[in-house]
Amino acid sequence: EPEVTQTPSHQVTQMGQEVILRCVPISNHLYFYWYRQILGQKVEFLVSFYNNEISEKSEIFDDQFSVERPDGSNFTLKIRSTKLEDSAMYFCASSVSYNQPQHFGDGTRLSIL
Amino acid sequence: DAKTTQPPSMDCAEGRAANLPCNHSTISGNEYVYWYRQIHSQGPQYIIHGLKNNETNEMASLIITEDRKSSTLILPHATLRDTAVYYCIVRVAGAAGNKLTFGGGTRVLVKP
Repeated sequence: EPEVTQTPSHQVTQMGQEVILRCVPISNHLYFYWYRQILGQKVEFLVSFYNNEISEKSEIFDDQFSVERPDGSNFTLKIRSTKLEDSAMYFCASSVSYNQPQHFGDGTRLSIL
Repeated sequence: DAKTTQPPSMDCAEGRAANLPCNHSTISGNEYVYWYRQIHSQGPQYIIHGLKNNETNEMASLIITEDRKSSTLILPHATLRDTAVYYCIVRVAGAAGNKLTFGGGTRVLVKP
């Protein structure tokens, strides 16, 4: 069964550094998403992306965050200058269309020191 | 999106059916009910969704009341691997509302 894959599984970064989290969505999917989950808290929506542009973003997704689909297979989340509070699990998801189920990867654990 | 209410936790016996309730009394006519689960340290896993008819797939059944104000997810024969947090999510069917809003879910513990 096709699945969403995320790399790396764990990323440790110094505060203030840039980090890029990578995702390979399911191949025929057209809608892409990032969510995050701070330890012990709820899964929170960050951004959705379709047709090479952001279709929706949350208040969390400020100017420090950006997303990109640099080629036909990867979908990335960049945090420009990381803060301690960015430490969380980051989940990528994809769906065939906007009204079909989203399928999630197993996440990247981001630890900011 | 309409708010959902789920019990914070429940236990069930291995091999028995697990019935997980969800209240969504403010649901609108164009909102679907989705169920996801999250096994420890993994990403959320899609289980099933429905609008107003009952639905069944290889993982579970979804029973939606006629007034659509509540639903029940049924795991027909719970196994230890079904131990997870289960999320009931109501989502508008439309391009502008395709984000998922997760609540606290129900922590299900399947016991031998």
